[in-house]
Amino acid sequence: GQNIDQPTEMTATEGAIVQINCTYQTSGFNGLFWYQQHAGEAPTFLSYNVLDGLEEKGRFSSFLSRSKGYSYLLLKELQMKDSASYLCAVRDQSLTGGGNKLTFGTGTQLKVEL
Amino acid sequence: DGGITQSPKYLFRKEGQNVTLSCEQNLNHDAMYWYRQDPGQGLRLIYYSQIVNDFQKGDIAEGYSVSREKKESFPLTVTSAQKNPTAFYLCATRGVWGSGNTIYFGEGSWLTVV
Repeated sequence: GQNIDQPTEMTATEGAIVQINCTYQTSGFNGLFWYQQHAGEAPTFLSYNVLDGLEEKGRFSSFLSRSKGYSYLLLKELQMKDSASYLCAVRDQSLTGGGNKLTFGTGTQLKVEL
Repeated sequence: DGGITQSPKYLFRKEGQNVTLSCEQNLNHDAMYWYRQDPGQGLRLIYYSQIVNDFQKGDIAEGYSVSREKKESFPLTVTSAQKNPTAFYLCATRGVWGSGNTIYFGEGSWLTVV
């Protein structure tokens, strides 16, 4: 099976930088996703990593190390609207269905304060 | 507008009743998914379908049923066998290989047992 771990909660200050970590264990890794979810709403896609390294998209960046089973999401110039849950999800190609299945972590609740 | 439409947004079910949640997409995506989210928890996969007339059980399929008679539609029935159905239900889709690996979500349906 898969095991995905991320911190339950984090607090940061408006304008600062925050790094949300995610570690995973899987037998057939085929990509890692980050989603943002505001309370009561559906998750929205932030980033996708399948190769090692950093992917940058504006204020958000995501890093992957496949050998370490580790990823992080980096949020720069934090804004109040960034207060949300951030979900790490892993695709496993070894699973039945040809790798179409995403397994989600429980999410990291980020609170941005003044 | 293109996208994923879930209905109803809010649904109340009496114990012992079956209810069906609708999910329609006009993105021409092959793969469709149903996830369940409980408060403060991550997403758990109920069922998924990679192609019309085919679907597979996810991690928590007991008490649920689905059909995939059309590419655009993937309804989820919550049966009376599901003992704790109160949750937020999310439908998602993914395009064909080569057009991106991203999974996109509908706006979700809240189901409450009364």
